[in-house]
Order: sequence, then structure tokens, then C-alpha cells
Amino acid sequence: DAKTTQPPSMDCAEGRAANLPCNHSTISGNEYVYWYRQIHSQGPQYIIHGLKNNETNEMASLIITEDRKSSTLILPHATLRDTAVYYCIVSPRGSTLGRLYFGRGTQLTVWP
Amino acid sequence: DGGITQSPKYLFRKEGQNVTLSCEQNLNHDAMYWYRQDPGQGLRLIYYSQIVNDFQKGDIAEGYSVSREKKESFPLTVTSAQKNPTAFYLCASSPKSGRNYGYTFGSGTRLTVV
Repeated sequence: DAKTTQPPSMDCAEGRAANLPCNHSTISGNEYVYWYRQIHSQGPQYIIHGLKNNETNEMASLIITEDRKSSTLILPHATLRDTAVYYCIVSPRGSTLGRLYFGRGTQLTVWP
Repeated sequence: DGGITQSPKYLFRKEGQNVTLSCEQNLNHDAMYWYRQDPGQGLRLIYYSQIVNDFQKGDIAEGYSVSREKKESFPLTVTSAQKNPTAFYLCASSPKSGRNYGYTFGSGTRLTVV
């Protein structure tokens, strides 16, 4: 059940900021936004998550709109190693199932 | 280093044969999961386990079986009943079911039916 909409592909120049959008217009009050990424032929890697406030860690920043219907993952200085498929996921933090729905994501290509 | 180990990385199987994919973690995580990924697609949940000796079917469990006899191990058997088993299989674990930001994934096993 796709709860998020992401563009299928984006590209970005190395050293520039990569801004990856995600729409989640049906998000519920108890659902968090999670971002993972998958480099080709590897397992997905957790990046960041948030509820309603903007979040930042060593990998990226997450900006969530005030109405929580969309969010943007920001890689401030993209490198070639950031080329990957990026998944935006919404799910309750306290879900007893702990199941995450990984859709098709956004293929980000960083070029030199 | 703590992590998840999946083996083998590549596996070839003849039609009609069962095959078992290994998944071992030394992260002391309670929950473990198996996902399947087809080319250009997202991940689909096959089975998951929240605790030793207990597991539940995911969205596409038909033709697969699992066991969870030890906390560290969650092997997946692809049976001959699975009609289209060629895919990339990913194992994951999390500290406890429901902690969605704590997922750690293995590097995957690519299964090909020949």
C-alpha cells in the first residue's frame, strides 16, 4: 500500500545540495517519516526519521512541512557515493509489526 | 564489528529444488525480517520474527518457510512451491519490532533458478 509519492529519478552535481521530495498527503498523526537509501546490489541503509520537526544528523537533513503532507530530504554536499535509490516511508513509530513499506523510491544520480 | 551476514551472495538453483538462505546477526536484535526485491521494484516482506521460536507471515509468504531457533539466526527456505523464486533476497534486523529507524540490512543473496 503506497502511502508516499516520490519522483522516479533525479540528478545532482557533485558538491551541490540534493533535495529529494516526498508527498505523503494521507499521513496519520502517529506516523513518522523515515528515509532509507539503497546503493546498487546492497541492503538499504537508514538515513533519518522525523515526526513534525525538522531533523538533522551527520548524513542529511529532513524538512517536514507544517501540515506534514510532504517532506524533503537534503544531502547538503552530494558526493558520487550518494548515488543510490532513496526511499521515503511513513509508518507508526510504535507499530507492533515493525513493518516498513519500501516502494520504488527515487534513483538519485550524482555526476562529477 | 556488529552486523548481519547473509550467505551465499549468489545462489543458483535448479527448478524443483528447495534452497536455504542463511542470515546471521550479532547485534543482539530481537526482531528479524526477510524481504524480496525484484528488478526495479521496492522491497516486499516475506516473513518476520519478533522473538525466538515465533514468526509471522508477511505479504508474500507463499512458497517460503522460516525458522527462528536462535536469536542470532533466521534462515529462509525457498521451496519448490515458489513459482518465481529468482530475485534478490534481503535479511534485516531491528532492536525490537516497531522501532522502525533501527533497521540494519544484510548485503543480500541473489538467487537465480536455472
